[in-house]
Amino acid sequence: NAGVTQTPKFRVLKTGQSMTLLCAQDMNHEYMYWYRQDPGMGLRLIHYSVGEGTTAKGEVPDGYNVSRLKKQNFLLGLESAAPSQTSVYFCASSYSRTTGGNYGYTFGSGTRLTVV
Amino acid sequence: AQSVTQPDIHITVSEGASLELRCNYSYGATPYLFWYVQSPGQGLQLLLKYFSGDTLVQGIKGFEAEFKRSQSSFNLRKPSVHWSDAAEYFCAVGAFAGNQFYFGTGTSLTVIP
Repeated sequence: NAGVTQTPKFRVLKTGQSMTLLCAQDMNHEYMYWYRQDPGMGLRLIHYSVGEGTTAKGEVPDGYNVSRLKKQNFLLGLESAAPSQTSVYFCASSYSRTTGGNYGYTFGSGTRLTVV
Repeated sequence: AQSVTQPDIHITVSEGASLELRCNYSYGATPYLFWYVQSPGQGLQLLLKYFSGDTLVQGIKGFEAEFKRSQSSFNLRKPSVHWSDAAEYFCAVGAFAGNQFYFGTGTSLTVIP
C-alpha cells in the first residue's frame, strides 16, 4: 500500500534548468494537489487537479506548470528554475470532491529542491 | 479572506507535561478543521478533524482538539507528551465543496526529557 509517492526526493538545479516532479497515487483518488513548503510560510497551494485531464491554479502558480494525463499521476514542471523556487514540494491526494468529505489529504514524503 | 494563524512558532515542553497548541482561523463559510503532524523528513499525517457535532474531537496518538466557534479557535491538546511527539504541527481549514485547504505556518514542538 504505497499511498502517494513522490520522485525524486532530492534535487539540485542550476538557475534556468528545467525539471519535472512526479507524484503517483494508488488510491484511485480524484483530487491531487501540489504544495510548496517554505520556512515561516506554511504550505501554499501551487496547482491542483480535480480529475484526469483537468488542472487549476492555486495560490502561487507562477513559474510552474502541471499535467494530469493519467488519474494516478500528477506532474509538476519547472520550465526555467529560479532560486526563489528553492523549497520542499509536497504532493497530496484526496478521494472526495468536497474537503468536508475527503477526511483530509494523503501526503507524499516530499521533494527537497535547491536551485543555485 | 481565509487564513489560519498559529501564534506559537516553537514550543518546548518536558516529557510527561501537558500540551496545547493554538490555532485561530478566519473563514467565510462553515469551516472544516484539521490538525496534521509532520515528522522530520516526512510528509504530513492527519491527526484529527472536525466537521460538525461534538466540538471536542479525538484523534490518533492521544491528541484531542476543541472547536470554539465564538473564538474562531481549534486548539490541539495532549494530556501527557511523549518524546516521540516532537514534530511540526499544522492546523488547516477548508470548506464543504471547496477545493483546497488553507494551512497555518506550523508550530514546532520540542520535547525535553
